Amino acid sequence: SAVISQKPSRDICQRGTSLTIQCQVDSQVTMMFWYRQQPGQSLTLIATANQGSEATYESGFVIDKFPISRPNLTFSTLTVSNMSPEDSSIYLCSGVLHYGYTFGSGTRLTVV
Amino acid sequence: AQTVTQSQPEMSVQEAETVTLSCTYDTSESDYYLFWYKQPPSRQMILVIRQEAYKQQNATENRFSVNFQKAAKSFSLKISDSQLGDAAMYFCAYRNHWKEGANSKLTFGKGITLSVRP
Repeated sequence: SAVISQKPSRDICQRGTSLTIQCQVDSQVTMMFWYRQQPGQSLTLIATANQGSEATYESGFVIDKFPISRPNLTFSTLTVSNMSPEDSSIYLCSGVLHYGYTFGSGTRLTVV
Repeated sequence: AQTVTQSQPEMSVQEAETVTLSCTYDTSESDYYLFWYKQPPSRQMILVIRQEAYKQQNATENRFSVNFQKAAKSFSLKISDSQLGDAAMYFCAYRNHWKEGANSKLTFGKGITLSVRP
């Protein structure tokens, strides 16, 4: 099964700065998804990323705050911009394969 | 829009016993897929079991089996012979029929935290 390498695994950032999270898949995936997860809670979809087109954002999430890059079928980035303490969370990426899904191991972000 | 409901936030089971985790969903589609994912403290999402809606037979994977009731829109997970390593958060998830595009997104329930008592 495909493996996603997600970096960084954790970071502590100053408010007002930006952090870019990277996900590298060891095989091609069609769609990639970015989720936010508060510890002990469910996954909330931020956006769906397709290669060669703009990401599709869910209600409550905007491109200026969470710009996404998807340059090819094995790589995607999510940037959390102009961070505030409310952005402290776990961020996960996921990719769709023909037989299922693969997930990154998450990035635990703390904004101070 | 599809919704997935897991009404039990926490459950506990004695080691070697059997436990059932509940999940209900709502959809107007007839062709869809249901999943149970396990998320241990490592945060890695691990597929436990998958069920295709068009299949009447309940899916099984070793100690894990589901009770899929399509008419009732219910999809419960049974864990037999519970082991300490089963302790984790479990998510029920739904997706529409396997087709390219935005319909491939998963809708997750709120999750249930399962603890296993030695």
